[in-house]
Amino acid sequence: SQTIHQWPATLVQPVGSPLSLECTVEGTSNPNLYWYRQAAGRGLQLLFYSVGIGQISSEVPQNLSASRPQDRQFILSSKKLLLSDSGFYLCAWMGGLAGGPSSYNEQFFGPGTRLTVL
Amino acid sequence: QQPVQSPQAVILREGEDAVINCSSSKALYSVHWYRQKHGEAPVFLMILLKGGEQKGHEKISASFNEKKQQSSLYLTASQLSYSGTYFCGTGIRRDDKIIFGKGTRLHILP
Repeated sequence: SQTIHQWPATLVQPVGSPLSLECTVEGTSNPNLYWYRQAAGRGLQLLFYSVGIGQISSEVPQNLSASRPQDRQFILSSKKLLLSDSGFYLCAWMGGLAGGPSSYNEQFFGPGTRLTVL
Repeated sequence: QQPVQSPQAVILREGEDAVINCSSSKALYSVHWYRQKHGEAPVFLMILLKGGEQKGHEKISASFNEKKQQSSLYLTASQLSYSGTYFCGTGIRRDDKIIFGKGTRLHILP
């Protein structure tokens, strides 16, 4: 079965510091991978998604970036954090077209990283 | 292109029924429903596809009107564990991103 991991679970960082959040998926190949951010009490904002190694689509221009160095690894980074970057960061995966003939495109979320920028 | 959910919030007594609606201005391939408890990640409930296929929890039912690009989630005989925020997400192609609505907060009273 497939599992998705995120770390760290919680993080407190000062304004202006760098950020690196990691997401890995097990039990599947060629997944589509997604980064979402959820501000306190708010909805799910799509930040980046990737359909393959090195392929990143950005949904919201900001001081964050994403990379996919390996098939099942997705990294969210920032060079300098802002107060507004605080939130709950969720990684998600979806079976890509290459993953099989299924027409279902269910998306599953990881446990999330709660980031507080002070 | 964000789907619109209604109502924004619902308060029910245990055992009552609820309907949560989701509508889009775009032609959809799929509609996805999730429940999120406070402080936790969203949990997959149901997916409905253009053409009538659907897959999800046995105790959850939903509908998808392709002509109107609307979906409804039906929660019957609600239990305390149903409390949380429900999100609908929509996709316009099989291998595409999912965009989520703002959520519907559901609170079940004993």
